Amino acid sequence: SAVISQKPSRDICQRGTSLTIQCQVDSQVTMMFWYRQQPGQSLTLIATANQGSEATYESGFVIDKFPISRPNLTFSTLTVSNMSPEDSSIYLCSVVLGDRDTDTQYFGPGTRLTVL
Amino acid sequence: QKEVEQNSGPLSVPEGAIASLNCTYSDRGSQSFFWYRQYSGKSPELIMSIYSNGDKEDGRFTAQLNKASQYVSLLIRDSQPSDSATYLCASHSGAGSYQLTFGKGTKLSVIP
Repeated sequence: SAVISQKPSRDICQRGTSLTIQCQVDSQVTMMFWYRQQPGQSLTLIATANQGSEATYESGFVIDKFPISRPNLTFSTLTVSNMSPEDSSIYLCSVVLGDRDTDTQYFGPGTRLTVL
Repeated sequence: QKEVEQNSGPLSVPEGAIASLNCTYSDRGSQSFFWYRQYSGKSPELIMSIYSNGDKEDGRFTAQLNKASQYVSLLIRDSQPSDSATYLCASHSGAGSYQLTFGKGTKLSVIP
């Protein structure tokens, strides 16, 4: 597996502000994803972070609200823009390791966001 | 729409017993299946992956897959209080798609 770190680990933010979350991996990975886990819920995929190109967003998520950067194969950022209390969640990045037949996703430690 | 279904629980078992966690999926094209364990306030941790029909054992954990029935299970033998967590079942369709579809998770409590 890879060592995945996220910054910040938690934050409390005011409504209307933005927060950028960083995800760093200790090895080069092709596939990287961003998930959201709302309180008491399972994981929902926000987008696939594509290296060198625009992220691919899932239904219900838009670039203006969740801009993503992926400047290289070890790093990505997710910004939560113009936050509201409904954005209070845990945000997780994940990476895929393994080959085509035995690929596995591993998750970072998460960023716990509270919006007041 | 791809769905993965799990009983939300809580599932309570006494220490030393076998815990049985079940999962069904709607997408017949799903090829890969995963069980993650998530402690409260922590991120999901991979426990088992299974790709072929049958059983796969790893220590106290056994994953079972039946593609005809679209059914995946996880057995935990000799359950310990430290196994108390939420267990998430996930699948993806393979063929270059790495996007996971998660169930809502089953909360397991192992009673000392």
